[in-house]
Amino acid sequence: EPEVTQTPSHQVTQMGQEVILRCVPISNHLYFYWYRQILGQKVEFLVSFYNNEISEKSEIFDDQFSVERPDGSNFTLKIRSTKLEDSAMYFCASSELGNSYNSPLHFGNGTRLTVT
Amino acid sequence: KNQVEQSPQSLIILEGKNCTLQCNYTVSPFSNLRWYKQDTGRGPVSLTIMTFSENTKSNGRYTATLDADTKQSSLHITASQLSDSASYICVVRSSGGYQKVTFGIGTKLQVIP
Repeated sequence: EPEVTQTPSHQVTQMGQEVILRCVPISNHLYFYWYRQILGQKVEFLVSFYNNEISEKSEIFDDQFSVERPDGSNFTLKIRSTKLEDSAMYFCASSELGNSYNSPLHFGNGTRLTVT
Repeated sequence: KNQVEQSPQSLIILEGKNCTLQCNYTVSPFSNLRWYKQDTGRGPVSLTIMTFSENTKSNGRYTATLDADTKQSSLHITASQLSDSASYICVVRSSGGYQKVTFGIGTKLQVIP
């Protein structure tokens, strides 16, 4: 069964550094997302991406964050200058269709980001 | 404010026993409700989806119910197995965009031999 893959599985970085989290969505999916989950808390929506542009973003997704689909397969999340509170598990997800009833989110296994 | 509350926060049951997890939501307008299973260190995986008109839906040993009037859902697991140990997350979607998807904090289930 096709999977969403994320790399790296764990990233440690110093405060103020830039990080890029990488994702390869399922190949025939059209909608891509980033979520984050701070340890012990709920999964939170960050951003959705369709047709090579951001379709929605949450208030968490400020100017420090950006997303890109540099080629036909990768989908990246960049954090420009990391803060301690950015430490979380970051999940990439994709879906075949948008708000369609039959279109569940398919999540990757996440990248655990630790900012020191 | 849209909210999804789950109970219990955690649960330990013996292998082979049944259990029921609860989800209460205040999301409006309601579109659908999904239960996801999240194994430790992995991403959530969809188990089942419920819409306004559906009361019960089964997926193997998992049975989800929905009462749209009281805004409650349950996930019943029968004949539990050790592999059922995971967090079970209730996710409610409102009509609209992706910000309208509200996650519960999950119920952490541990099945012991």
